[in-house]
Amino acid sequence: GQNIDQPTEMTATEGAIVQINCTYQTSGFNGLFWYQQHAGEAPTFLSYNVLDGLEEKGRFSSFLSRSKGYSYLLLKELQMKDSASYLCAVRDGDYKLSFGAGTTVTVRA
Amino acid sequence: GAVVSQHPSRVICKSGTSVKIECRSLDFQATTMFWYRQFPKQSLMLMATSNEGSKATYEQGVEKDKFLINHASLTLSTLTVTSAHPEDSSFYICSAGVDRPTEAFFGQGTRLTVV
Repeated sequence: GQNIDQPTEMTATEGAIVQINCTYQTSGFNGLFWYQQHAGEAPTFLSYNVLDGLEEKGRFSSFLSRSKGYSYLLLKELQMKDSASYLCAVRDGDYKLSFGAGTTVTVRA
Repeated sequence: GAVVSQHPSRVICKSGTSVKIECRSLDFQATTMFWYRQFPKQSLMLMATSNEGSKATYEQGVEKDKFLINHASLTLSTLTVTSAHPEDSSFYICSAGVDRPTEAFFGQGTRLTVV
């Protein structure tokens, strides 16, 4: 099975930067995803990493180190609308997607 | 981009009845669709993988006779919750993709409440 760990909650101030870490152990690896999910809604895709390094997309960046089984999602210039749950998900050797428990980010004014 | 449509978005049913949830890929053919369940404040748990034209593969602990999955075409998969109980109340989400996608596309989710 998969083992995916991420912090439960994080709080930050509007305009600040927050980094959400994710560590994983999987049988095979075919990519790591980050999703944003607002309460009662389906997840929306944020980023995908399959090679080591940093992927930048506007205010969001995601980093991957396959040798360390580690990823982070960086949210810059935080806005109130960024308050949500952020899910780290890993696709294994069978192309199944397994999710971490999610990190609830609260942005305060 | 690819769109996955899930219907209904909300459903309330009585205990003992069955509920069908549909997941459609609107602008691409999905050979594989995944069904997830999410309880409040928990993450998505994969229930089963459905492949067009063949039987679904269920995850450990998921009753295949209770959660019937049909993937009759490349654009439609259905999940039927049979003999629903209050503990089946949850958020059900489907995702679809072509073979070996670079990202998974999710439906809007279905909030099932069994009373």
